[in-house]
Amino acid sequence: RKEVEQDPGPFNVPEGATVAFNCTYSNSASQSFFWYRQDCRKEPKLLMSVYSSGNEDGRFTAQLNRASQYISLLIRDSKLSDSATYLCVVNMASNYQLIWGAGTKLIIKP
Amino acid sequence: DTAVSQTPKYLVTQMGNDKSIKCEQNLGHDTMYWYKQDSKKFLKIMFSYNNKELIINETVPNRFSPKSPDKAHLNLHINSLELGDSAVYFCASSQTGIGEQYFGPGTRLTVT
Repeated sequence: RKEVEQDPGPFNVPEGATVAFNCTYSNSASQSFFWYRQDCRKEPKLLMSVYSSGNEDGRFTAQLNRASQYISLLIRDSKLSDSATYLCVVNMASNYQLIWGAGTKLIIKP
Repeated sequence: DTAVSQTPKYLVTQMGNDKSIKCEQNLGHDTMYWYKQDSKKFLKIMFSYNNKELIINETVPNRFSPKSPDKAHLNLHINSLELGDSAVYFCASSQTGIGEQYFGPGTRLTVT
């Protein structure tokens, strides 16, 4: 089983729709969780940290389910500018290393 | 103000050459990283330094040698470049080893 696993997509979604990504992780001792987005030929940029209580930032909602070892990202009212690759990132509690998922590509269509 | 900067942005060179990539962060972070992203887009960590001390050294060829003169700088030197080294190399920094990371714009290395 991969340490961090995401659906590679691509997800083709019409503008205005709601889209959800899931990410599973293998180490139950993991402490930190993040969602990053990466635009084509650009660097990854932090989208949200994911807290145990869940958190929301505008149209974006992130949730953590420790029992099932997954995190999710919900994007409401999707915009064309949301088209990007979304990367799930999990900290391995034993060292300084963040483990990166392979990313899910999202394409928003007009 | 650029938080994490890398130079050069593009690097085209021939097999067998030696090249260096420089990284600087002005965020006051303690930890810096080098990542490689190949054509399949998978982001793979190579090295991590905390306060100038090497703490992560993944299985990469020893032709790759990082150097941290101070905690704001982390350079990557590559000897005897090979075709398979062609990729985008990202530098990143974080306040702690488990916190969010901030990335530089990347260096696109092409080996011909």
